[in-house]
Order: sequence, then C-alpha cells, then structure tokens
Amino acid sequence: RKEVEQDPGPFNVPEGATVAFNCTYSNSASQSFFWYRQDCRKEPKLLMSVYSSGNEDGRFTAQLNRASQYISLLIRDSKLSDSATYLCVVKGNGGFKTIFGAGTRLFVKA
Amino acid sequence: EAGVVQSPRYKIIEKKQPVAFWCNPISGHNTLYWYRQNLGQGPELLIRYENEEAVDDSQLPKDRFSAERLKGVDSTLKIQPAELGDSAVYLCASSVPGQGYYEQYFGPGTRLTVT
Repeated sequence: RKEVEQDPGPFNVPEGATVAFNCTYSNSASQSFFWYRQDCRKEPKLLMSVYSSGNEDGRFTAQLNRASQYISLLIRDSKLSDSATYLCVVKGNGGFKTIFGAGTRLFVKA
Repeated sequence: EAGVVQSPRYKIIEKKQPVAFWCNPISGHNTLYWYRQNLGQGPELLIRYENEEAVDDSQLPKDRFSAERLKGVDSTLKIQPAELGDSAVYLCASSVPGQGYYEQYFGPGTRLTVT
C-alpha cells in the first residue's frame, strides 16, 4: 500500500461545478497535511495547508479526518484556470519526511 | 525576490553517460531538497539538506547518484552512469529551517531524457 494515495482521476467538469478530491494516508502518526497545485510542465506550488478543524480559502475548502486517515479538497464554482494536477502532501513523524501523492488531474471545460 | 534556480532546464544524454544538475535556492533558505518526478507521479524525495549536511538521503540510489552542498547554498546532483529509467524531471526545492513544516518553493526542474 502506498503511503499516500489519491483519487486516480482525471476529473472532467464544466465551469461552475463543484468537485472534490480525496486522499488517504497510511501513517497514523502523520503530523501535517497540504494540497499543492501543479500546472502542466510546471513546478508544484502550495495551494493550502489542511488543519484539523478544516479550513477555507475562497472557493477552496480542505478537510482532515484523522480517524479515517484521509484529507479532502473541495473546489466550488470551478474556473477554467483551476485545471491542473492537485497533489496531496503528508508530513510524516520523526524528522521532516514529506510524501507527495501521485496527484489528481482536473480538467475544467467551458 | 528570485526563486529557486535550476540548470540546465533540459538534458538529453545517452545511457551510461554522466550528468549533473545544479540548484541555487532562495536566499536565506537553509533547507534544500532534491526530488525526482516521473511522468504521472508525484515528486519523490531523493535527499534533503540542512545547510551543508545531508539529513535524509534514504531514497537516494547511492550506487549511481551523488549530491553535494559544499557551502550550504548551491547544490549539485549527479548521476553516473545514467540508465534509461533515470529519465524524469529533477526538482530542487528550498524552505526556511525549523522544526515545523514550512512551504517548499520549487524550482522549474531539469527534464532529463536518457536514450
């Protein structure tokens, strides 16, 4: 089992749609969780951190469920510019080991 | 403020040849990472430096890969000899030091093709 697993995708949605991505992690002692965004042939960039209480940044909402060991990202009112690959990132316990998921690709169509 | 700089951006070599990648992190970022990203996969950590010390190189294939960060700033990642399976994007990232997690800033990467 991979340490971090994401929905395989791709997700194809129309503009204005709401889309949700899930990510599961295997290490119950994981401490920190994040979503990064990666555009085609570009480097990853931090989208948002994920807090235990859940957090929102504009159209983006991240949730963490420690009991079930998964995190989610919800995008409301999708824009064409949201088309990208979304990487789930988990920081393990001990040291600073950071593990990236394989990513979920999103295509938003007009 | 300049971001993470990497060179070259693209490299095509024949198998069994050596290759080197260079990275200059953001000024003041003492933590430096090298990742490898295969097509359709997320970045996989190869090595992490705190200043000039390699504190996590457990994923670095040491038989052919080597890295250095002699003065705690620039870093070089080398492959010798390269194999077909080494074709990937090699990403360098940097962050401020500390016990918690700090955002990693990535460079544009070096796209390596081994023929």
